[in-house]
Amino acid sequence: DIQMTQSPSSLSASVGDRVTITCQASQDISNYLNWYQQKPGKAPKLLIYDASNLETGVPSRFSGSGSGTDFTFTISSLQPEDIATYYCQQYDNLPRTFGQGTKVEIK
Amino acid sequence: QVQLQESGPGLVKPSGTLSLTCAVSGGSISSSNWWSWVRQPPGKGLEWIGEIYHSGSTNYNPSLKSRVTISVDKSKNQFSLKLSSVTAADTAVYYCARWAEIAAAGRSAFDYWGQGTLVTVSS
Repeated sequence: DIQMTQSPSSLSASVGDRVTITCQASQDISNYLNWYQQKPGKAPKLLIYDASNLETGVPSRFSGSGSGTDFTFTISSLQPEDIATYYCQQYDNLPRTFGQGTKVEIK
Repeated sequence: QVQLQESGPGLVKPSGTLSLTCAVSGGSISSSNWWSWVRQPPGKGLEWIGEIYHSGSTNYNPSLKSRVTISVDKSKNQFSLKLSSVTAADTAVYYCARWAEIAAAGRSAFDYWGQGTLVTVSS
């Protein structure tokens, strides 16, 4: 299985701050990586596909980059509604695997 | 707008079989997508269980493969999950989700999810 390692596990930032989450794959996955947002008690929501493409309807403050084994997810200006846990997910190989999640809180 | 809705018992006894169904509305289960199950233990991360295509082809997570069966009922536009020999470690919120692959857009992702259903394994 391909292991996905996210860091940090949690972070606290102020409204308007730039927030960055990293995701590292245990082997080269090209750009076969998605990012999801999960709010408490809700299902995950797709934000970024193919490492850097913004899903339709998702605010432009969200972005993704990277390829190979190292990926980055960024919120350019943190908003109160962005409080959630964020997951990366690879689809280069089966089984589809997720990172352990990064919980984002407001300071 | 595609919608998915999980249903099934919320409590299963240890060593029993967990059975869930996902009803798909707003779209056909015979479309070119994979239909998946993902679970999340309380306070933990997401684990992919497996998926099925309308043809009946399946892929399972090797960690669960010996206990999992996913089936499809095209006449009812739904698919189902059975997980046998359950233990407390199988207590989780179970989500059904659509895995969509759009080659022209380079887009492959879980794009639609059910609301999730909590299944507790306890006597």
